[in-house]
Amino acid sequence: DAGITQSPRHKVTETGTPVTLRCHQTENHRYMYWYRQDPGHGLRLIHYSYGVKDTDKGEVSDGYSVSRSKTEDFLLTLESATSSQTSVYFCAISDYGQLNEQYFGPGTRLTVT
Amino acid sequence: GESVGLHLPTLSVQEGDNSIINCAYSNSASDYFIWYKQESGKGPQFIIDIRSNMDKRQGQRVTVLLNKTVKHLSLQIAATQPGDSAVYFCAENKGGGNKLTFGTGTQLKVEL
Repeated sequence: DAGITQSPRHKVTETGTPVTLRCHQTENHRYMYWYRQDPGHGLRLIHYSYGVKDTDKGEVSDGYSVSRSKTEDFLLTLESATSSQTSVYFCAISDYGQLNEQYFGPGTRLTVT
Repeated sequence: GESVGLHLPTLSVQEGDNSIINCAYSNSASDYFIWYKQESGKGPQFIIDIRSNMDKRQGQRVTVLLNKTVKHLSLQIAATQPGDSAVYFCAENKGGGNKLTFGTGTQLKVEL
């Protein structure tokens, strides 16, 4: 998985609790992304980062926040988890001149009960 | 609204046959179209991309065709192997930047 790890890999949490997912890369790539994957919807971009402390919203950003304090780490936070946020979350990275070629992590399966 | 979608949710082929996975798009302004493969339990993996001013691009055992007249994209896999069994996603890069919009995917099943 091109030097990308996600933690945790599985998590079950209760509605209303905060949750933070971590993506760590060892490739020193500039761009990092968070997607969610749901049946019938494919992959949808939540947030992305184009550098340290530089982030922007994707198409499904409501209810999510992100932070990137170091090149190698990109955190996704659900401030108050809801059942609609039950999903598989993928982190991806890409570098200069390779914007179409994103490398994906193994995913985190999050269940909100 | 503008979208990238797939014609068929499941495609079954015999090992050794060629596979053709189709995708329709509606955004004529997209700069690139891309194909990803996702094996069960793993993250998606880049296969090949094609710029919007091209009609055809070949990779290793794969060919992507772009028909801008009918806004249709296809991925052809030659001599399909069991290891090709996966979900295939088409995606588009609308502005030449780093945001991709993915379709919903086609499941390719290779029968022995």
